[in-house]
Amino acid sequence: DAGVTQSPTHLIKTRGQQVTLRCSPKSGHDTVSWYQQALGQGPQFIFQYYEEEERQRGNFPDRFSGHQFPNYSSELNVNALLLGDSALYLCASSLPGPKSPLHFGNGTRLTVT
Amino acid sequence: QKEVEQNSGPLSVPEGAIASLNCTYSDRGSQSFFWYRQYSGKSPELIMFIYSNGDKEDGRFTAQLNKASQYVSLLIRDSQPSDSATYLCAVSGGGSNYKLTFGKGTLLTVNP
Repeated sequence: DAGVTQSPTHLIKTRGQQVTLRCSPKSGHDTVSWYQQALGQGPQFIFQYYEEEERQRGNFPDRFSGHQFPNYSSELNVNALLLGDSALYLCASSLPGPKSPLHFGNGTRLTVT
Repeated sequence: QKEVEQNSGPLSVPEGAIASLNCTYSDRGSQSFFWYRQYSGKSPELIMFIYSNGDKEDGRFTAQLNKASQYVSLLIRDSQPSDSATYLCAVSGGGSNYKLTFGKGTLLTVNP
């Protein structure tokens, strides 16, 4: 049973560039959430996708956008990268309800120089 | 006021002891409570979840919830060096609020 898979594992970008991160959910899960985790902090909610729509969004600027595909996989796009965007980006999948536990992928480590 | 608060630690316990990790939350409407373990450089791993007041046990782990006090805790019995990690408390608002709010985590070190 494949868990949540994310790609790439590491990425180095320059300020002002754009990046796309990808995620495939755990088998049987149809809901995908994205989190940003800065060093020494807990994960911060970016947004959640369900039925190919953004269902809820956290306090992140419009530079952060996403997409969910019919097979439930998802992408996170970040435009106009800032140094402060350097973080571990975590994708988590779950069943649709708010009580459903999140299962995290291994994350993508993004470094902006 | 922070939404989910944890003592950042580090919490150091000897091998075989009980480790007690605590968490408080500010939203009285919170419905679901989760504990995740995160090893350095790795992603969070779900340990337990609890929805109702009281205790929930799973092996060496016990989660305790007191909604009146807005307090949730995790006890780890017979602590092992492999339990050394950061433990994240996470809270979900329920209803149409799907966001999981995390604390900053407590670093636990189990000394052999």
